[in-house]
Amino acid sequence: AQSVSQHNHHVILSEAASLELGCNYSYGGTVNLFWYVQYPGQHLQLLLKYFSGDPLVKGIKGFEAEFIKSKFSFNLRKPSVQWSDTAEYFCAVNVFRGKLIFGQGTELSVKP
Amino acid sequence: GAVVSQHPSWVICKSGTSVKIECRSLDFQATTMFWYRQFPKQSLMLMATSNEGSKATYEQGVEKDKFLINHASLTLSTLTVTSAHPEDSSFYICSASRPGQDGEQFFGPGTRLTVL
Repeated sequence: AQSVSQHNHHVILSEAASLELGCNYSYGGTVNLFWYVQYPGQHLQLLLKYFSGDPLVKGIKGFEAEFIKSKFSFNLRKPSVQWSDTAEYFCAVNVFRGKLIFGQGTELSVKP
Repeated sequence: GAVVSQHPSWVICKSGTSVKIECRSLDFQATTMFWYRQFPKQSLMLMATSNEGSKATYEQGVEKDKFLINHASLTLSTLTVTSAHPEDSSFYICSASRPGQDGEQFFGPGTRLTVL
């Protein structure tokens, strides 16, 4: 069965630190990849997505992610986090009939 | 564009009663809608996929007679939790996808259900 794994359950950073959240998936075919963010008390919002083409994808709010097919990975990065980036981050993979498979989520806490 | 709404945003009910949650795509026609359940500090668990005019496809372990899904139009899907029990208390989230969007889903704000 397809699965998505996010390695970090809870990450704590100080403002201006760099961020990298890991995401690996298990599926050998073509995938579409997503990162969603859920700010406290709010609904899921799309940060970025990869369908095809350039494996380095840029999203909103300075986030980017790199698709490495050989490693089945789609890690999320941001060079300098802000306190307002405190949120839950979910990696998701779309493999079949539009179904999204979500990772466990990573809680990011940014200290001012 | 691509706004999805849910109603109600929260509901409290007594054990044994049924609760209906609505999911609407406000500015687009959704070919497919999805229902998720999210426990505190956990990920989203897909419950079912619904296409307009056809029966919903439920994920393994989800009771279709307990969680009734109706997708009557291209802009509305409903989830009815029948004979609710305290263990059904959770955060229910719907999402919708548009044709040709390569699987991108647009999420509603969620409905907090508390069963007493």
